[in-house]
Amino acid sequence: DQQVKQNSPSLSVQEGRISILNCDYTNSMFDYFLWYKKYPAEGPTFLISISSIKDKNEDGRFTVFLNKSAKHLSLHIVPSQPGDSAVYFCAASDPQGAQKLVFGQGTRLTINP
Amino acid sequence: DSGVTQTPKHLITATGQRVTLRCSPRSGDLSVYWYQQSLDQGLQFLIHYYNGEERAKGNILERFSAQQFPDLHSELNLSSLELGDSALYFCASSTRTGSWGGYTFGSGTRLTVV
Repeated sequence: DQQVKQNSPSLSVQEGRISILNCDYTNSMFDYFLWYKKYPAEGPTFLISISSIKDKNEDGRFTVFLNKSAKHLSLHIVPSQPGDSAVYFCAASDPQGAQKLVFGQGTRLTINP
Repeated sequence: DSGVTQTPKHLITATGQRVTLRCSPRSGDLSVYWYQQSLDQGLQFLIHYYNGEERAKGNILERFSAQQFPDLHSELNLSSLELGDSALYFCASSTRTGSWGGYTFGSGTRLTVV
């Protein structure tokens, strides 16, 4: 039962352009959505989050959009930089599961110079 | 350094053995979560402890158990190990306040069962 899905295992973007990572979910009770970034041999690090009552949250080059009717969220990175190359995980907080985070499978983003 | 410490970083052991993974949460965090990441998979939730008490269980095998001690460190015990248990095991801690920033993860323990 995959409640959070990232359908693109990989994405390649030119440096300076926009990177858009997508995520779909099925549980309408999720109350927070988060994006994590993971480099090899490191744990995931928190990037940005959005409450389910909002539709957009911005932090510097990173913006997360939430479309509740479509049960879809996306992460926009503008402009993309080589250091953004990493695996990005979408996650959702389950208030009925003691706030445990449910993760997607991840999308490997590669920024090409 | 995230503030969450996991030991050991790497572990190689044989099938049928038992291992213990250790996690020290970030100072002040009462919640500890354990996750498993198998090859090319997402992070699968195993178990959550809050201030010494088990709060939620995910798809954790009966061969696996965990506990959180009074000093808030946690241990994940894996027994009767099988080849399929080879994975990265992450511990994370959190203090849920206000605009939530999610968990802080440790750097993980890579378990290889041979």
